[in-house]
Amino acid sequence: LAKTTQPISMDSYEGQEVNITCSHNNIATNDYITWYQQFPSQGPRFIIQGYKTKVTNEVASLFIPADRKSSTLSLPRVSLSDTAVYYCLVGDRPGGGADGLTFGKGTHLIIQP
Amino acid sequence: EAQVTQNPRYLITVTGKKLTVTCSQNMNHEYMSWYRQDPGLGLRQIYYSMNVEVTDKGDVPEGYKVSRKEKRNFPLILESPSPNQTSLYFCASSRTGGGRDTEAFFGQGTRLTVV
Repeated sequence: LAKTTQPISMDSYEGQEVNITCSHNNIATNDYITWYQQFPSQGPRFIIQGYKTKVTNEVASLFIPADRKSSTLSLPRVSLSDTAVYYCLVGDRPGGGADGLTFGKGTHLIIQP
Repeated sequence: EAQVTQNPRYLITVTGKKLTVTCSQNMNHEYMSWYRQDPGLGLRQIYYSMNVEVTDKGDVPEGYKVSRKEKRNFPLILESPSPNQTSLYFCASSRTGGGRDTEAFFGQGTRLTVV
């Protein structure tokens, strides 16, 4: 089971680009990297997923180097509503399970005016 | 609308009184799971199910039971709740297959207090 390490917290300002990096040194060949966002007292929400190189969708980009031992979630031009906890997950089993996705403690991102 | 629905949203109960938290999904997902979230401990998986009649323990299964008699429903049962089960609970579902399409959909959460 690949363990992930990400910063406990980060601060930024409205309009800035925010990059959150996650380390996953023992990622397995079949593992995908998935990021979730969670607001207080709400369930986590899927943001983006990737396997290698770069993935971009309407809310974020995910950069994954060739060795796949880390990944960076990039949020362009953040707003106050992006204040949330962001989780980096590594695994190949969608529902989780003993050998699937495990949520760490996440990164608490605080956006200031 | 694709969704995972949990009920109730809030529940206060007394020690030892059996309770069930229901979870239903309308996406025909095969995988379903239950998590609890506690301050400082993050999200921890309680039980998961890979299909009807197939369930298995997650990281913190003690004191909980689940059943999966139908694909859409995955209730969480606390036979004899104790105060240390006071927590915020989330149900999740996702498509089968692994690899791509591993987006998990979460319910709104159930805040349980056991006194």
